[in-house]
Amino acid sequence: QLQLEESGPGLVKPSETLSLTCTVSGGSISSRGYYWAWIRQAPGKGLEWIGTIYYSGSTYYHPSLKSRITISVDTSKNQFSLKVTSVTAADTAVYYCARQSVSNTFWFFDFWGRGTLVSVSS
Amino acid sequence: QSVLTQPPSVSGAPGQRVTISCTGTSSNIGAGYDVHWYQQLPGTAPKLLIFVNTNRPSGVPDRFSGSKSDTSASLAISGLRAEDEADYYCQSYDSSLRGSVFGTGTKVTVL
Repeated sequence: QLQLEESGPGLVKPSETLSLTCTVSGGSISSRGYYWAWIRQAPGKGLEWIGTIYYSGSTYYHPSLKSRITISVDTSKNQFSLKVTSVTAADTAVYYCARQSVSNTFWFFDFWGRGTLVSVSS
Repeated sequence: QSVLTQPPSVSGAPGQRVTISCTGTSSNIGAGYDVHWYQQLPGTAPKLLIFVNTNRPSGVPDRFSGSKSDTSASLAISGLRAEDEADYYCQSYDSSLRGSVFGTGTKVTVL
């Protein structure tokens, strides 16, 4: 069974960089046809797609976050990562990584990590 | 920001049928992109409930069903049970965003 697990600091200071890693087990991050995504959920709020990466390195970012985010992949470690620069309190959220299925008519997220809470505070 | 609109809450007694609507625009559902639904139990990660409008992943009870028409979609829960109390989100692809868009979320309460 595919499993995803987020890891990284739970507390980040304002204006600094948030860094998270998602480790994939029970399957290969290089599987053809599957993409890998980051999604976040601010406390008491809804879900927000952050960005997506393919094992080849192709990336797709939410336009409102594009200037501050970088998603990368390390196929040798079966991991992908998220960096968000210049964080503010508005970036406080539970961050989820997920596997994404893609075709010309759909994007959906079929496996999710348990999520990790990142708080932005001095 | 592109977003799919859902009612904030729906409720029903055990055994009843409830439906959750998801209204999109011409850049997402109305453009022909498929709709998917997620269930988020309190304190847990979202779980895929319906994919590509009407399909249930293995293990999802057939009490859950999805439909799509024009610029909207619906999730129906029949034979409502206490364990169905959760937040439900619809999701689709948006061509103007060039990425994924989620619904505003609906809290289902079992009376």
